[in-house]
Amino acid sequence: EIVMTQSPATLSRSPGERATLSCRASQSVGNNLAWYQQKPGQAPRLLIYGASTRATGIPARFSGSGSGTEFTLTFSSLQSEDFAVYYCQQYNNWPPFFGQGTRLEIK
Amino acid sequence: EVQLVESGGGLVQPGGSLRLSCAASGFSFNIYSMNWVRQAPGKGLEWVSYISSTGSTMYYTDSVTGRFTISRDNAKNSLYLQMNSLRAEDTAVYYCTRASGPVAGKADYWGQGTEVTVSS
Repeated sequence: EIVMTQSPATLSRSPGERATLSCRASQSVGNNLAWYQQKPGQAPRLLIYGASTRATGIPARFSGSGSGTEFTLTFSSLQSEDFAVYYCQQYNNWPPFFGQGTRLEIK
Repeated sequence: EVQLVESGGGLVQPGGSLRLSCAASGFSFNIYSMNWVRQAPGKGLEWVSYISSTGSTMYYTDSVTGRFTISRDNAKNSLYLQMNSLRAEDTAVYYCTRASGPVAGKADYWGQGTEVTVSS
C-alpha cells in the first residue's frame, strides 16, 4: 500500500501571503493525485486532480504541481476563506489512501 | 446540479448493524463508480469502499473487509453500505462520493455525510 505523508501538519500564514503545502507518496503515483479542502462542519471538496488540474469553479490562486512521489499545493495569495484543512489523495493504486491533512491557519 | 444525499446513520450498539444509503441525482449515476469515505471525530479522511459503475467490482479497506458490503441500484440511482458487526472504531461521518479516474478515482462530488456512532 502507498502511504501519503503531508507536511507541515499546521501552517500559519496571514491573508495575502503565499503558502505551499507538501504531499509525499511512499512510491510513485504518477500524476494521479488529488487535493481536497475541508472547512469545519462541511464535507470536503475537490480542488485539484491529476496533480495540477483545477476542479470546476476553483480559483486560479490555487495551483498544484508535482509527479511521481512529490507534490505541492500552492496558494498565490491567501484569502480569508482559504483557511481550512487540506488533504491529498492518491488514486493510482489500491487502496486510494489520503494523507493525514495539513491545517492552514490564520497567523 | 449533482447531488448526493446520505441517510441511515445513527446510534448503534457494538456488534450491531446499520445500512447507509446515498441518493444520487443530477448526473448519469449508472456510468460512475462510487466510493464511501469516512471521517472519525477530529480525525482525517479514510477511504472505506469502492464499487464500479455496474456493481461488478467492489473493494474495501482492510479494517472493514468481511463486515461491510457496498452495493448499488442503478435503477434507483442509489448507493448503499451495509455495515455489520460494528465496532467503536467505526464511529465516524460517512460520506458518499462520486468517483472518476483510475483505481477508485478522484472524489469529484461529496454528499453532506451521515453520522454513525457505535456505543453502548
